[in-house]
Amino acid sequence: KQEVTQIPAALSVPEGENLVLNCSFTDSAIYNLQWFRQDPGKGLTSLLLIQSSQREQTSGRLNASLDKSSGRSTLYIAASQPGDSATYLCARGDRDDKIIFGKGTRLHILP
Amino acid sequence: ETGVTQSPTHLIKTRGQQVTLRCSSQSGHNTVSWYQQALGQGPQFIFQYYREEENGRGNFPPRFSGLQFPNYSSELNVNALELDDSALYLCASSTRTLYNEQFFGPGTRLTVL
Repeated sequence: KQEVTQIPAALSVPEGENLVLNCSFTDSAIYNLQWFRQDPGKGLTSLLLIQSSQREQTSGRLNASLDKSSGRSTLYIAASQPGDSATYLCARGDRDDKIIFGKGTRLHILP
Repeated sequence: ETGVTQSPTHLIKTRGQQVTLRCSSQSGHNTVSWYQQALGQGPQFIFQYYREEENGRGNFPPRFSGLQFPNYSSELNVNALELDDSALYLCASSTRTLYNEQFFGPGTRLTVL
């Protein structure tokens, strides 16, 4: 059974700190790995997508890495801000467009 | 370019009723997937439609059904509603291109009383 696990489930850090969110997945034959942000009661906003042939992607203060051999991805957030407070979801994608989500990490940035 | 839209935003039903949720895919996208997200959980895959045909289904009973129309918009129908069907229902569209990036709508919040 394909699974996606995110650790920690919740995280609180002071504003300005750099932080790392972790995601692990079973079955290294993934097609892509996508990170999403979800604000309370809202839909999902795509942050970064890493193709299986890539090792990382960057967008502004965000950097996501992918290590298929170990079944891990990390999302690095630099210089965190209160506006970064949200739930971050990791999802593995297969070639047929179906994706499997982790339960997410609830991030709270303390002003 | 118009993003993914869903209607209604919120819905309250009672047990045993039926509900229809709607999704308009992003312009140029031919694949729509539906997900159910219970409180505090990650989204769970319900099913996917590609060019008007069901193309894969998750672990959901047959009372969850769907349609995709020629303009690639889609409906999710749930019959005989149960309390556990209360959740945020998300629709995502994609193009099945090299990148397969999924774009999500804002969701429909369904409450079953």
